[in-house]
Order: sequence, then structure tokens, then C-alpha cells
Amino acid sequence: KAGVTQTPRYLIKTRGQQVTLSCSPISGHRSVSWYQQTPGQGLQFLFEYFSETQRNKGNFPGRFSGRQFSNSRSEMNVSTLELGDSALYLCASSLDTGGNTIYFGEGSWLTVV
Amino acid sequence: GENVEQHPSTLSVQEGDSAVIKCTYSDSASNYFPWYKQELGKGPQLIIDIRSNVGEKKDQRIAVTLNKTAKHFSLHITETQPEDSAVYFCAASKGVAGNQFYFGTGTSLTVIP
Repeated sequence: KAGVTQTPRYLIKTRGQQVTLSCSPISGHRSVSWYQQTPGQGLQFLFEYFSETQRNKGNFPGRFSGRQFSNSRSEMNVSTLELGDSALYLCASSLDTGGNTIYFGEGSWLTVV
Repeated sequence: GENVEQHPSTLSVQEGDSAVIKCTYSDSASNYFPWYKQELGKGPQLIIDIRSNVGEKKDQRIAVTLNKTAKHFSLHITETQPEDSAVYFCAASKGVAGNQFYFGTGTSLTVIP
């Protein structure tokens, strides 16, 4: 059974640009969450999508957004990139929402220059 | 919100010795506590988890204990091996509000051959 797949794995963007990251969950999983990982702040929750609806949102500015499609695949978008957005962005999928086990992908490494 | 503290931040042990990592949480409503192992350049991998209705869980060389009264839980690794070297994260979730997890700051474990 394939795991959580994230694309692209690595990318470099310039300040002010925008970026879209993609996540394909484990087959049959309906919940997708996104986390930002940085050396200074650790793993921080961005948002969770379930049945194409945002279920929860972490404490991030509105420049961070996401969506989920009918096949449970998800994308997250960051607009007007700042240097501080450089991080590993992790997608995690779960069978259902509500305190279920989450399984992470390998992440997308974003560098903003 | 929830606050998860993790100690120690770094841990070095001799191969064959045991390693213990401790986490505390602040919200008594948290009821699910997974542990993740993250190797360099990879996403976090679930290694063991425990729910609030259980005090201890074991899986081969790995065990987790939970003290709900004191609001702390611990990861125990016995007979450590060099391949156990990685960063370990604890996490907590309340469940009722979706799959939002709060993570500790991580413990870098080095097993010296």
C-alpha cells in the first residue's frame, strides 16, 4: 500500500512569489493535515481537511491556504512568500477525523531566497 | 491550547543501554499520544501510540507509559541499536476537534556503537 506522497520534494522560490504543494493521501484515507517544520518552531499544525472541508486551522496568517479535492488529494498554497516561510512542509493523512492516527509523507522542502 | 514539553533535547547512550524520553502536556482533555521517529531527510514515522484509557503499551523493544493524573507520558527504548539514532517527537491530541496534534520539540537520540 503506497504511503503519503508529496510533490515537489524540493523547491526554491523568491520572496513575494507564491507556491503550491501537493499531497496524495494513503488510499482510503479521507483526512489530510498539513504541518510546517522549522528548527526554531518545531512541528506546527497548519490545517486539516476532511471531505473537502477545512476542519481545523492553526495559528498561521491568511497567506497560507489549502483545499481538498473529491478524491481526498490536497494542495496547500502560500502566497507572497517571506524568508521565514522556508521550512519542511509535511502532509499527513488519516482514515478519518477526530483523534485518529496520522501518517506523514516525506515532506516538501521549501527554500525562499 | 495544548502545550507539550519534551525532555531531554539530546540524548546519547551506549549501544545496548536503555533510553527514556519524557513529555508533559497541559490540557487534561488530550486523550491520544503518539510517538514519531524522524530520520534525516525523511518525514516522521509513527513508532508507537497510546490512548488515555491505557496506562502502558509495549511493542518489542519500545514501550510507552502514560500517567493521566500527572499529565505526562514517556517513551522507553530498550537494548538500543545504532539504527535507533534519530529525532523522536511526542504529540498529543484531543480528538474531538479533529486531527490537530501538538508536538514536543524533539529529542535527538544518538546510540554509540
